[in-house]
Amino acid sequence: DAGVIQSPRHEVTEMGQEVTLRCKPISGHDYLFWYRQTMMRGLELLIYFNNNVPIDDSGMPEDRFSAKMPNASFSTLKIQPSEPRDSAVYFCASSHRLDRTQPQHFGDGTRLSIL
Amino acid sequence: GDSVTQMEGPVTLSEEAFLTINCTYTATGYPSLFWYVQYPGEGLQLLLKATKADDKGSNKGFEATYRKETTSFHLEKGSVQVSDSAVYFCALSDGSSNTGKLIFGQGTTLQVKP
Repeated sequence: DAGVIQSPRHEVTEMGQEVTLRCKPISGHDYLFWYRQTMMRGLELLIYFNNNVPIDDSGMPEDRFSAKMPNASFSTLKIQPSEPRDSAVYFCASSHRLDRTQPQHFGDGTRLSIL
Repeated sequence: GDSVTQMEGPVTLSEEAFLTINCTYTATGYPSLFWYVQYPGEGLQLLLKATKADDKGSNKGFEATYRKETTSFHLEKGSVQVSDSAVYFCALSDGSSNTGKLIFGQGTTLQVKP
């Protein structure tokens, strides 16, 4: 089985540009999570979806960030306009069901650098 | 709210040494506890888990026991290898609402020298 697939693996862009990160969850997984990892703040949950519907976006830092899941096999995280403080590694994870015993499966992440 | 605290790193050991990485938690309800490992340039991988008190999770020579009385889930390995060098994250799932949301510790970097 293929794992969670993220693209691109690395993104370098200039401040003010729009950035789109992509994620394909594991087939059959109903839950999708977006995380951000930085040295200062560690791993932060940004938003998660159930059956393509956003359930909790309380971790989204501000209006410049938006996430969508148009179908069960694809999600995007968009930053517009991007700022240098958005530089981080962004992870997508998926889970079969959301109960306390189920682990989440992570992609390899997108390393984002905003110049 | 729920939280996880890990020992600060980096932890530097020689090959074949004994490893302990401490993890304590604060939670309401009945959380599950997890250890994830992150190798350089990769995402987090589940290492082991325990879903109730006194459960022991184990994998690849690592083990951890869910201790409710001390609210701990320390990771141990009897003999580390250079290939174990990675960042280790302790996490708990939201036990009060059963949403499965994970709360992570800050991570502990392990460096194993030959």
